[in-house]
Amino acid sequence: NAGVTQTPKFRVLKTGQSMTLLCAQDMNHEYMYWYRQDPGMGLRLIHYSVGEGTTAKGEVPDGYNVSRLKKQNFLLGLESAAPSQTSVYFCASSYGGGASGELFFGEGSRLTVL
Amino acid sequence: DAKTTQPPSMDCAEGRAANLPCNHSTISGNEYVYWYRQIHSQGPQYIIHGLKNNETNEMASLIITEDRKSSTLILPHATLRDTAVYYCIVRPPWVDSSYKLIFGSGTRLLVRP
Repeated sequence: NAGVTQTPKFRVLKTGQSMTLLCAQDMNHEYMYWYRQDPGMGLRLIHYSVGEGTTAKGEVPDGYNVSRLKKQNFLLGLESAAPSQTSVYFCASSYGGGASGELFFGEGSRLTVL
Repeated sequence: DAKTTQPPSMDCAEGRAANLPCNHSTISGNEYVYWYRQIHSQGPQYIIHGLKNNETNEMASLIITEDRKSSTLILPHATLRDTAVYYCIVRPPWVDSSYKLIFGSGTRLLVRP
């Protein structure tokens, strides 16, 4: 049982390049999320999904796109990377429904945009 | 979503209790209080949550005031491995697709040897 797995863990991009971060969870969770964390700051929600085929915007969605084609996967795309997108990206998932809102997080993906 | 206020940093001695406060004076009647922590640069880890009553699990205790405007996370016997950033979050119960968890800046707890 791997939990939440993020790939890649590290990536360096040049301004204008595109890339996709992959998040996979093996807990059959309905809800998945992408957060970013800048140095010394808390996490900010980028996009989230409440089920296969659905996505919604979070606090800071600009410059990112997401897709949830399969229940277990949530992809975060950067079409044209900018230095302001240098950050650590965390994926999370949760069961959904009821009072328990426990989120399970991945180990993070460190992205540097030059 | 209700906003939370936490001190930016705290410290305590190893083996002593660590009491981390959180103010959520605008909390609504159906909003839960959640605590997460983030050790170094790892992904955040769930600790505990509660609505009205005090809660305890193997990691910590959560004390919520009667008026629910503030809460305290208690680590009864802090260890060096408890050094982390602790986030207090309030959120409503599951409401279809509007659910999301908003993190603030948290409290950086340093446990001293």
